[in-house]
Amino acid sequence: NAGVMQNPRHLVRRRGQEARLRCSPMKGHSHVYWYRQLPEEGLKFMVYLQKENIIDESGMPKERFSAEFPKEGPSILRIQQVVRGDSAAYFCASSPVSGMGNEQFFGPGTRLTVL
Amino acid sequence: QQQVKQSPQSLIVQKGGISIINCAYENTAFDYFPWYQQFPGKGPALLIAIRPDVSEKKEGRFTISFNKSAKQFSLHIMDSQPGDSATYFCAASMRQFYFGTGTSLTVIP
Repeated sequence: NAGVMQNPRHLVRRRGQEARLRCSPMKGHSHVYWYRQLPEEGLKFMVYLQKENIIDESGMPKERFSAEFPKEGPSILRIQQVVRGDSAAYFCASSPVSGMGNEQFFGPGTRLTVL
Repeated sequence: QQQVKQSPQSLIVQKGGISIINCAYENTAFDYFPWYQQFPGKGPALLIAIRPDVSEKKEGRFTISFNKSAKQFSLHIMDSQPGDSATYFCAASMRQFYFGTGTSLTVIP
């Protein structure tokens, strides 16, 4: 039973480019969460999605960031026109049940570096 | 503001000793308190979790102590081992997870 999968594991972009981060939840999980982790800091919630729906995007920056979880395929976190401050580790988590007060299983993360 | 405050930032413990990490929260609506362990280059992995209707939960060498009136909870690692060296995050959950800033634990052989 594969765990949460994220790719790429490392991503390098120049300022102004787009970054696309992909997350495949665990089998049977239909709830996906994205977090950002800056060096020496904890994880900060960004967005919570179910298939084809954004449930809570209160942690997402208002501009340049978007997320989707289509009916088929992985969840995508998209960052347009990246800036140096976007450099961070981005983690995806999934859970089998609704709501956020339950166990979440994390992927290995995508480490984004913006040059 | 930081919803969950975690201390200490770093901790060095001798092998066989007890590691204690503390967290405090403000929002009494939180209803789930997990601890995650993270190794360098890896994603966080759930270690142990507690709900506010119990004061203590033990799983092997790991124990959560929960003080609802003080709005504090702590992780105790008994008989700490070098393999426990990692970063530990506490979290509190209501509609979303709020994570502490992490504690870097080093267990010296």
